[in-house]
Amino acid sequence: AQSVTQLGSHVSVSEGALVLLRCNYSSSVPPYLFWYVQYPNQGLQLLLKYTTGATLVKGINGFEAEFKKSETSFHLTKPSAHMSDAAEYFCAVIPSSGATNKLIFGTGTLLAVQP
Amino acid sequence: NAGVTQTPKFQVLKTGQSMTLQCAQDMNHEYMSWYRQDPGMGLRLIHYSVGAGITDQGEVPNGYNVSRSTTEDFPLRLLSAAPSQTSVYFCASSNSPGYGYTFGSGTRLTVV
Repeated sequence: AQSVTQLGSHVSVSEGALVLLRCNYSSSVPPYLFWYVQYPNQGLQLLLKYTTGATLVKGINGFEAEFKKSETSFHLTKPSAHMSDAAEYFCAVIPSSGATNKLIFGTGTLLAVQP
Repeated sequence: NAGVTQTPKFQVLKTGQSMTLQCAQDMNHEYMSWYRQDPGMGLRLIHYSVGAGITDQGEVPNGYNVSRSTTEDFPLRLLSAAPSQTSVYFCASSNSPGYGYTFGSGTRLTVV
């Protein structure tokens, strides 16, 4: 079964530093890939998605992610962290074959931004 | 355009009580799903639907029932609440899952 692994349940960075949140998927067939953000006591908001085409995907709030098939990875980055980026981030996949409507989540990474 | 609306936002139940969590969307989306979110476990799929009259189980369906009589509504029923069902519940919908789901703001349920 398709699975998603997020390395690091907690990540702390200084304001202005690079943000790197890691995500690996298990399928040999590239799935559809997503990053969602959840601010405290709120629902989930789509940051960016990869379906086909360009492997570097730009999202909202200055975030981007690169799909690397050889590494089965879809890591999320932002060049310079802001205090407002503090939130929980979820990587998710939808298999591109089989059960193509189930959105499967990783366990999340809580990002803290220090002043 | 309200998007995905979940009610109630908060609920406290006693063990053994029943209740229905409501989810409605006004985007004419065919696909709808229910998730529960627990600390350290991400979001886990409870039930999902690919259209009116069609539902199926996700990874944690036990203790929950769903039905989908209209495109707009996808209620989640707890028949006999247990403390293990204390969680935050999210409903989501999509017209094309490959392009992502839209989430509601959640229902925080506590079973005592």
